[in-house]
Amino acid sequence: EAQVTQNPRYLITVTGKKLTVTCSQNMNHEYMSWYRQDPGLGLRQIYYSMNVEVTDKGDVPEGYKVSRKEKRNFPLILESPSPNQTSLYFCASSPRSGANVLTFGAGSRLTVL
Amino acid sequence: SQQGEEDPQALSIQEGENATMNCSYKTSINNLQWYRQNSGRGLVHLILIRSNEREKHSGRLRVTLDTSKKSSSLLITASRAADTASYFCATDARDDYKLSFGAGTTVTVRA
Repeated sequence: EAQVTQNPRYLITVTGKKLTVTCSQNMNHEYMSWYRQDPGLGLRQIYYSMNVEVTDKGDVPEGYKVSRKEKRNFPLILESPSPNQTSLYFCASSPRSGANVLTFGAGSRLTVL
Repeated sequence: SQQGEEDPQALSIQEGENATMNCSYKTSINNLQWYRQNSGRGLVHLILIRSNEREKHSGRLRVTLDTSKKSSSLLITASRAADTASYFCATDARDDYKLSFGAGTTVTVRA
């Protein structure tokens, strides 16, 4: 089944403890992106990648890192999480950037205490 | 930055009624998409309309696009309880490869 898989789905952590949210897609998509969703703010883009080894900042990149060493994987790294990073995170992919339909993962709900 | 803004923020209708929501955006676009999100889950693509199209249909969904007013509308006809969800518009700006989402319209369909 064509899908975007995120892990973990739920995580409670403490301030400053590094964590990684993994994202993997099995559709050979070139474009991958991370969003965070907060009440009243909709989805805001954190980082995106147009292909392997090509990443760029979205609208809210502060406090996050990403890497794209392989086409299928696009992990989101929080080096030193803070409570304002408590959010619902979505990974998404599409065949290429631009006018393409995004396939979303099921989401990762992160709480930073 | 957020490009699209949906209106209204929330909508409650009776089963069988039509639901209409609007999206306004700021800059010229290549395409506009609508997505649905069931409570806390991933977004699911509904329909894409290109900047040179004015209207598009998919099942009970009808989308219009008015590029002169920089706005789009999504109409769900004969709504069902299963249509209860949040609906987001997403725009793909002319000079940008990012897809920007609005804050969404939450639709509740009462049985």
